[in-house]
Amino acid sequence: EDQVTQSPEALRLQEGESSSLNCSYTVSGLRGLFWYRQDPGKGPEFLFTLYSAGEEKEKERLKATLTKKESFLHITAPKPEDSATYLCAVLILTGGGNKLTFGTGTQLKVEL
Amino acid sequence: DGGITQSPKYLFRKEGQNVTLSCEQNLNHDAMYWYRQDPGQGLRLIYYSQIVNDFQKGDIAEGYSVSREKKESFPLTVTSAQKNPTAFYLCASSIDAANYGYTFGSGTRLTVV
Repeated sequence: EDQVTQSPEALRLQEGESSSLNCSYTVSGLRGLFWYRQDPGKGPEFLFTLYSAGEEKEKERLKATLTKKESFLHITAPKPEDSATYLCAVLILTGGGNKLTFGTGTQLKVEL
Repeated sequence: DGGITQSPKYLFRKEGQNVTLSCEQNLNHDAMYWYRQDPGQGLRLIYYSQIVNDFQKGDIAEGYSVSREKKESFPLTVTSAQKNPTAFYLCASSIDAANYGYTFGSGTRLTVV
């Protein structure tokens, strides 16, 4: 069965304190790994797509990396506006088409 | 501006009633999806549709129904058979999921009263 596990469930950082979020996955036929940001009461917002082990992508203070079994979202010198829930998802191809399976998310709180 | 519109933002339903959540997109995307989000459980796939007049059950389809009569619209009906319907419902669409992922609406929060 396809599984996506994110850790930690919640993370509290001081402004400027760098850290990493983890997403481990067990899937067959991975077509891509996605990172989304979700603010309270809103829909997820696309951040990155990674396709193969060794790939890295960056956007402002965020950098996503991918290995064969997990992905990391590194947050460098975070600011309070980075506070959100970060979701990891894997895209697989099924008989009915593409399907995106999500992890449970990491709730990040950045404090002054 | 192109995007996905979900309505209403908040919805209250009495037990035993069916209720329909609206999802409209003007992105010209072929595929559309419905997810349910509960605290601590992440997003779970209810139904998805790759083309008009065709749709597939997701992981938790019981107690839900959908239709896809138009490319732009993918309404979700939560029936009285859904035992625990209180949740945040998210609609999404995609044109090339492998390269661009899904675009999500802003969600509908359904509460059973």
